[in-house]
Amino acid sequence: AQTVTQSQPEMSVQEAETVTLSCTYDTSESDYYLFWYKQPPSRQMILVIRQEAYKQQNATENRFSVNFQKAAKSFSLKISDSQLGDAAMYFCAYSMEYGNKLVFGAGTILRVKS
Amino acid sequence: EAGVAQSPRYKIIEKRQSVAFWCNPISGHATLYWYQQILGQGPKLLIQFQNNGVVDDSQLPKDRFSAERLKGVDSTLKIQPAKLEDSAVYLCASSPEHVNQETQYFGPGTRLLVL
Repeated sequence: AQTVTQSQPEMSVQEAETVTLSCTYDTSESDYYLFWYKQPPSRQMILVIRQEAYKQQNATENRFSVNFQKAAKSFSLKISDSQLGDAAMYFCAYSMEYGNKLVFGAGTILRVKS
Repeated sequence: EAGVAQSPRYKIIEKRQSVAFWCNPISGHATLYWYQQILGQGPKLLIQFQNNGVVDDSQLPKDRFSAERLKGVDSTLKIQPAKLEDSAVYLCASSPEHVNQETQYFGPGTRLLVL
């Protein structure tokens, strides 16, 4: 069974600085998708960024980028120029292929200090 | 484009009572998911529908949970009778049929507290 591990229960970052959230996963599949979702206190799950495993290029969305290391089964999220609005719970998630369930990690709470 | 709608947003019930949650996915999305998120954990899939057929309900406690998506659009998740451990946020998500099928869009969730 696929598993997703987020080893950092909580992280803090100063406003305007950079922070990296870690995620590792376990799968025997070669084609799959990886995601980072943000969940603020309202509990609405918001997609931050996604990565297709067959693509070697790391995904980027504005201030958010990933470091995808397929051989190491690692998928970290880098947030640059952190803002107060980035404070939330961040979940790493895996999907075997399109139309399949998401397998989530336990989450990392990100606190942003002003 | 309207997002995934869920109601109610909050529900408090006594154990052994029944409760139902409703979800309306994004228009045109063929796949609908129900996840259970217990406090401090990541969401876990309860059931997945493709149109009005069940794709995966392996993690659904079928002795007390049921779900339906009769016309392939909106869906209802029911718990009967509820237990204390059912206290959680119930998230509904949907994904499109063609472009970006792998991406799921979530509703605001229903917070359930069982006393």
